[in-house]
Amino acid sequence: KAGVTQTPRYLIKTRGQQVTLSCSPISGHRSVSWYQQTPGQGLQFLFEYFSETQRNKGNFPGRFSGRQFSNSRSEMNVSTLELGDSALYLCASSQGTGGQPQHFGDGTRLSIL
Amino acid sequence: AQSVTQLDSQVPVFEEAPVELRCNYSSSVSVYLFWYVQYPNQGLQLLLKYLSGSTLVKGINGFEAEFNKSQTSFHLRKPSVHISDTAEYFCAVLQAGGTSYGKLTFGQGTILTVHP
Repeated sequence: KAGVTQTPRYLIKTRGQQVTLSCSPISGHRSVSWYQQTPGQGLQFLFEYFSETQRNKGNFPGRFSGRQFSNSRSEMNVSTLELGDSALYLCASSQGTGGQPQHFGDGTRLSIL
Repeated sequence: AQSVTQLDSQVPVFEEAPVELRCNYSSSVSVYLFWYVQYPNQGLQLLLKYLSGSTLVKGINGFEAEFNKSQTSFHLRKPSVHISDTAEYFCAVLQAGGTSYGKLTFGQGTILTVHP
């Protein structure tokens, strides 16, 4: 069974640009969650999608947005990039019910110059 | 809201020695508990989970953890570590029920370094 796939693995952008990250969940998983990982703040929850609906959102500015498609694939978009957006962005998928554990991809490392 | 505290930021240990990584959590509602491991330049890999039932849970790679409700702890243990266990370990909680869908709350991580 294929795991969670995130593309691209690495991205370099400049301030003010926008970026789109992609996540393909494990087959059969309907929930996709996104996290930002930085040395200073650790792992922080961005948002969660289930059956194309955002069910939960973390404390991030509106520049961070996402969506989920009918095949459960998800994208995350960050507009007007700032230096502080440099981070590892992790996507995780699960069945989305009860305490079913989340399975993570290897992440997209975003560097802002 | 939930919070997770991993009491040690770094734990050095010699190969074949036992290790315990400590995790305490705070929550006003029931939670599910998880331990994840992260190797350099990789995502998080699930080690084990506690959903309900027996308070001692066994995971992959010889790790186990014990849920203690009265002390709100979920410490991770391994009786004999290997060099390959060197990695960063994260304790996480997920609210049971309610509307906090898909939101894992993580501790700050513990870097385990196994020396030969």
